[in-house]
Amino acid sequence: EADIYQTPRYLVIGTGKKITLECSQTMGHDKMYWYQQDPGMELHLIHYSYGVNSTEKGDLSSESTVSRIRTEHFPLTLESARPSHTSQYLCASSLTSSGRADEQFFGPGTRLTVL
Amino acid sequence: AQKVTQAQTEISVVEKEDVTLDCVYETRDTTYYLFWYKQPPSGELVFLIRRNSFDEQNEISGRYSWNFQKSTSSFNFTITASQVVDSAVYFCALTSNNAGNMLTFGGGTRLMVKP
Repeated sequence: EADIYQTPRYLVIGTGKKITLECSQTMGHDKMYWYQQDPGMELHLIHYSYGVNSTEKGDLSSESTVSRIRTEHFPLTLESARPSHTSQYLCASSLTSSGRADEQFFGPGTRLTVL
Repeated sequence: AQKVTQAQTEISVVEKEDVTLDCVYETRDTTYYLFWYKQPPSGELVFLIRRNSFDEQNEISGRYSWNFQKSTSSFNFTITASQVVDSAVYFCALTSNNAGNMLTFGGGTRLMVKP
C-alpha cells in the first residue's frame, strides 16, 4: 500500500480565491508529480520534481505553481482560481533506481470545483 | 516522442465474462517500460504491473494476465471471469530512461462489469 496523501479530497471554492492542494509521501521518494485529470479521463502531467528545490513544468501548461522545500512535501498552489481549473488533481511519487523506471505511486486525488 | 493508444474507450461485459483491454505503444527507445494502472471510482490510481522491454514473458496474477508482444508493439491486459469489483478505468502507460522516466499515459478504458 502506497503512503502518499492528498488533502483536501474535495474542495468547492469561488472564483478568485487562492488555494493550495497538499501532497505528502512518507516513502522517501525523490521524484514527485502532479497530474490534472479531465472528466474525460485523460491524465496530463502539469508539474514534476526530481528532488528538493527542483521543480519543472509538465506537458500541459498550467497556471498553478509548485514548490519542493522538503522531500516528502509537494504542494500545488493556484493564486486565483477560475472555473476552468475545475478538475481532479492527482499527486504521485517514485523512487529513482539505477537503470530502471520505477512505478509511480498515486495519492487519492483532490477533486476541485471552482464556481 | 512516445505515444500510448487505448482504442477502447468503454467496454461493458456481464460478470464472469473474460475481457481484454488493448494497449498499443510507440517509442524509438530500445529500453522502455510499460505499466498498467487501475482507477476505481474512488479516484486513486493503483499500480498493477510493470514490464520492461527485454522481458517478453507473459505474466499471470490470479485472474489478471498480460500479453506483451514487441512485434506488434502491444501490451494487452486480460481479466478472466470478470467481477463487478473490476469495474474501473484502466490506464496503460509507457516510459523510458531517455524520457526521464516520465510516464506517457493512454487515454484509458472504462470497464463496466454488470452483475
